[in-house]
Amino acid sequence: DAGVTQSPTHLIKTRGQHVTLRCSPISGHKSVSWYQQVLGQGPQFIFQYYEKEERGRGNFPDRFSARQFPNYSSELNVNALLLGDSALYLCASSVRQGNYGYTFGSGTRLTVV
Amino acid sequence: ILNVEQSPQSLHVQEGDSTNFTCSFPSSNFYALHWYRWETAKSPEALFVMTLNGDEKKKGRISATLNTKEGYSYLYIKGSQPEDSATYLCACLETSGSRLTFGEGTQLTVNP
Repeated sequence: DAGVTQSPTHLIKTRGQHVTLRCSPISGHKSVSWYQQVLGQGPQFIFQYYEKEERGRGNFPDRFSARQFPNYSSELNVNALLLGDSALYLCASSVRQGNYGYTFGSGTRLTVV
Repeated sequence: ILNVEQSPQSLHVQEGDSTNFTCSFPSSNFYALHWYRWETAKSPEALFVMTLNGDEKKKGRISATLNTKEGYSYLYIKGSQPEDSATYLCACLETSGSRLTFGEGTQLTVNP
């Protein structure tokens, strides 16, 4: 059974551009969360989606948005990229919202130049 | 927003040594504590999910304890091996169950 898959694995964007990151959860998992990890820090919560509805949002500007599709996959969109958006973006899936084990993907490394 | 702290920030031990690290968190509104192991270029791997005060969990040579009243958790590794080298992250789950708040991690290096 495939784990959590994220695409692309790496990408480079220019300031002001837009980016879309994609995540496919483990089969049967209905909750997807997004985290941003900057070097030297722990992952920071961005969004959680469960059953296609936003269930939590971290302290990130409105340039960050996300959605979850009927097949439970998810996209994270970031508009008007800033240099400070350079980070590893992790996606995690769980069976449902609540205290369940999270399975993480390997992340998308975004570099903004 | 929870404040989760881990110590030490980094640790170098010799193969065969036993070691432990600390995760501290606000004891009020505690819901659950997760431990993850993160090797370079891989995805974070779940080790333990702990909820009850006094919980002790074990997975091979790795074990963890939880004290929700005083707001800390310990992770122990017995007889460290080079393959244990990784960053160990703890994270608190808020009551809503919607977000994990991570500490900055403890980077463990086990020298052969």
